[in-house]
Amino acid sequence: DGGITQSPKYLFRKEGQNVTLSCEQNLNHDAMYWYRQDPGQGLRLIYYSQIVNDFQKGDIAEGYSVSREKKESFPLTVTSAQKNPTAFYLCASRPSGTGELFFGEGSRLTVL
Amino acid sequence: DQQVKQNSPSLSVQEGRISILNCDYTNSMFDYFLWYKKYPAEGPTFLISISSIKDKNEDGRFTVFLNKSAKHLSLHIVPSQPGDSAVYFCAATKDGHTGKLIFGQGTTLQVKP
Repeated sequence: DGGITQSPKYLFRKEGQNVTLSCEQNLNHDAMYWYRQDPGQGLRLIYYSQIVNDFQKGDIAEGYSVSREKKESFPLTVTSAQKNPTAFYLCASRPSGTGELFFGEGSRLTVL
Repeated sequence: DQQVKQNSPSLSVQEGRISILNCDYTNSMFDYFLWYKKYPAEGPTFLISISSIKDKNEDGRFTVFLNKSAKHLSLHIVPSQPGDSAVYFCAATKDGHTGKLIFGQGTTLQVKP
């Protein structure tokens, strides 16, 4: 089945540790995105990539890093510099020529 | 600076009646608007969209209305069903090339049997 796979679904980490969230898509979409959801704040854009080997900062990129070495993969690293990392993280992709994003199931990160 | 606002955190409707979810925006450069539905612990799923050149778009039980002069859009669900109970997000973009969406805070809809 075509879709977007995020892993892990749940992740617990100690404060000060870096953690990498995986996002893989087999939809052949060029563009991929990372959003963060916090209660009462909707979704906020962290990073996005429109093509392999290129990515751009979103509205809340501080404390995060990404890479786009393959079209199918867009991993997000939450670094120890992120002051409030506990959140629900959503990866999305977009087919060329449309404005609609297709989302994965999300990854819930809890920093203890 | 919240460019897309959903001022009603929650809405409760009886099954079979109409659900109306509202969304306001401040940026007049937005030219494409979308509604997403989200269940707990899942990713949002696309429902319906509308371009700024239109004032209405309909898809089955879902209709989106756009009032550009008021910078307001609404999603109508008729008839509402218990399975429609979810969080609804409106989103807007002014840059279709990048696909960057600005989301509202969401409205939780509860449809009672």
